[in-house]
Amino acid sequence: AQKITQTQPGMFVQEKEAVTLDCTYDTSDQSYGLFWYKQPSSGEMIFLIYQGSYDEQNATEGRYSLNFQKARKSANLVISASQLGDSAMYFCAIHPRRGGSQGNLIFGKGTKLSVKP
Amino acid sequence: DTAVSQTPKYLVTQMGNDKSIKCEQNLGHDTMYWYKQDSKKFLKIMFSYNNKELIINETVPNRFSPKSPDKAHLNLHINSLELGDSAVYFCASSPGTIFSEQYFGPGTRLTVT
Repeated sequence: AQKITQTQPGMFVQEKEAVTLDCTYDTSDQSYGLFWYKQPSSGEMIFLIYQGSYDEQNATEGRYSLNFQKARKSANLVISASQLGDSAMYFCAIHPRRGGSQGNLIFGKGTKLSVKP
Repeated sequence: DTAVSQTPKYLVTQMGNDKSIKCEQNLGHDTMYWYKQDSKKFLKIMFSYNNKELIINETVPNRFSPKSPDKAHLNLHINSLELGDSAVYFCASSPGTIFSEQYFGPGTRLTVT
């Protein structure tokens, strides 16, 4: 069975500083995808970044980067130059191989990030 | 244009009632999903539906039934609502290709009194 662990229920960061949100996963699949989603207080789920298990380079999308360490089964999200609008819940999710689980995402419990001015 | 839309956004109803939540996507995606987010913000898959194949999560009570009239719509019907059904329900869609990201609707907050 697949599992996502996010050990930080809440975090604070000063505006303009970088922050790392932790995510570890457990899967027996060799091929999988890792995702991060943001959920602001308004409630919508916003896709941020994706990392495939066979990708050799860490994914980056603007101020978001994913620190992927396959041997440690970790996929930490790094947000550079935090902005007030980054305050939200952040969810890490794993997408097991299609044949095994029909493609649904398995989410962690989330980390609530608060950016201080 | 809203990619994935859900109606209604809020739904308040009494125990024992039957209700439906509608979902539509205009992205041309092959796969659609229903997720439930509980009061602790934990998101869990309920169903996925790909090209007329419905994958039922065994932990979902059979009071919940998804219905897909066509590829762009996946509605969720709930019979005999219970207090524990109160949650936010998200519809999502994806192209169906392996490891593609899922696009979420705005969510429907269901409150059962």
